[in-house]
Order: sequence, then C-alpha cells, then structure tokens
Amino acid sequence: AQSVTQLDSQVPVFEEAPVELRCNYSSSVSVYLFWYVQYPNQGLQLLLKYLSGSTLVKGINGFEAEFNKSQTSFHLRKPSVHISDTAEYFCAVSGGNTGFQKLVFGTGTRLLVSP
Amino acid sequence: GAGVSQSPSNKVTEKGKDVELRCDPISGHTALYWYRQRLGQGLEFLIYFQGNSAPDKSGLPSDRFSAERTGESVSTLTIQRTQQEDSAVYLCASSLSGGGQETQYFGPGTRLLVL
Repeated sequence: AQSVTQLDSQVPVFEEAPVELRCNYSSSVSVYLFWYVQYPNQGLQLLLKYLSGSTLVKGINGFEAEFNKSQTSFHLRKPSVHISDTAEYFCAVSGGNTGFQKLVFGTGTRLLVSP
Repeated sequence: GAGVSQSPSNKVTEKGKDVELRCDPISGHTALYWYRQRLGQGLEFLIYFQGNSAPDKSGLPSDRFSAERTGESVSTLTIQRTQQEDSAVYLCASSLSGGGQETQYFGPGTRLLVL
C-alpha cells in the first residue's frame, strides 16, 4: 500500500533561518503530492501541490517544494521562517495503488520557530 | 457556506455508547471525505462520497463505523459501541468533484474522547 514517511517529528529553528521538512513516499507510479499545514486550533489548509510539469512547486507563505522522482521525495523548504510559521506540516500523496481520490498522509512534522 | 463545518467540536462519551458526528461541506462540493487522526499519527482515510455513486468505504476500521450522506450535502459519521481506541480527531473534507488533482478543504474536526 501507498505510504508517506516524514522522518522528523519535530523541527526547531530560529526565526529568519532556512528550513527543510522532509517527505518520502513509497509509490513508483504516477502520484500527486501535497503539503498541508495545520496551525494551532485550526483545520488543515493546503500549502502547495505537485500534479505534473515543473518539479519545483511554489506555494503560499513563501514555501516551496521539489518533486524528485528518482528519490521519491517531496521536501518542503522556506528560505527564512517567521514565528507565525509555527505549525504542524503534513505531507500527503494520492495515486499509486490506493487511487487518486484518497489522500495518504504522513505522521506530520511540528515546526517550532523561536525568536 | 464559507468553509467545511463540523459538529460537535468536542465529544466525550462512555465506552459502549453510540456517537454521531456531523459534517457540512462547502456548498457546491460533490465530493466528501472522512479522515481520522489519532494522537501522534497521520490522518487515516475512512470513507469517500462522490455524488450519487456508491461510497468508498475501504478505510472504515470495523463494522461499528458507518457514514451517510444526504444528496450532496450533510454527512453523518456514526460510531456504534464506542471503544477507547476510537478516541481521535475526526476530520471531514470536501472537494469540488472528487478529482485527484483537486484541493480537499478540511473542517476543524471533532475531537472524540471515549472514557
């Protein structure tokens, strides 16, 4: 079955520093890839998604992610984080043998930005 | 409405009791999804409704779980004879027509605690 691995459960970082949140997926066939963010006491919202085309995807709030098919990765990056980026970030995939309607999520990475 | 809404926001119940969780999708969205988020884990797909098609129930963990949707509107997730392992946040999402490339819009969730 399709799976998503987010190796880092928590990433502490200082304000204005760069950050990378890692995501690897298991499928070797066509997939769609997503990053969602969950701010404290709020629902999940989409940061960005990769469907096809350019492997570098830009999203909201200055985040971007790069699709790497050979490494089955979709790491999320931001060159300079703000305190307000403190949240839980979820990588998700659809496609492969689970179909394109269902999202399979990773366990999440908590980003903690301190001054 | 403006977004996906869910009720109640919190539910505490005793083991063995039945519970009903409600989801109101975004108006005009024909696809509706239920996910479960247990503590320290990623979101797990439960069930997917698309228009008048038969729902995809492949993620329901046991026959104690069931869900209904009236037309293209409200959905209810019912858990019978609740167990402590059912404690989780239950999230509902909707999308325009269920295509895999579409963004799923999430509600704030219902936090269920089974004592």
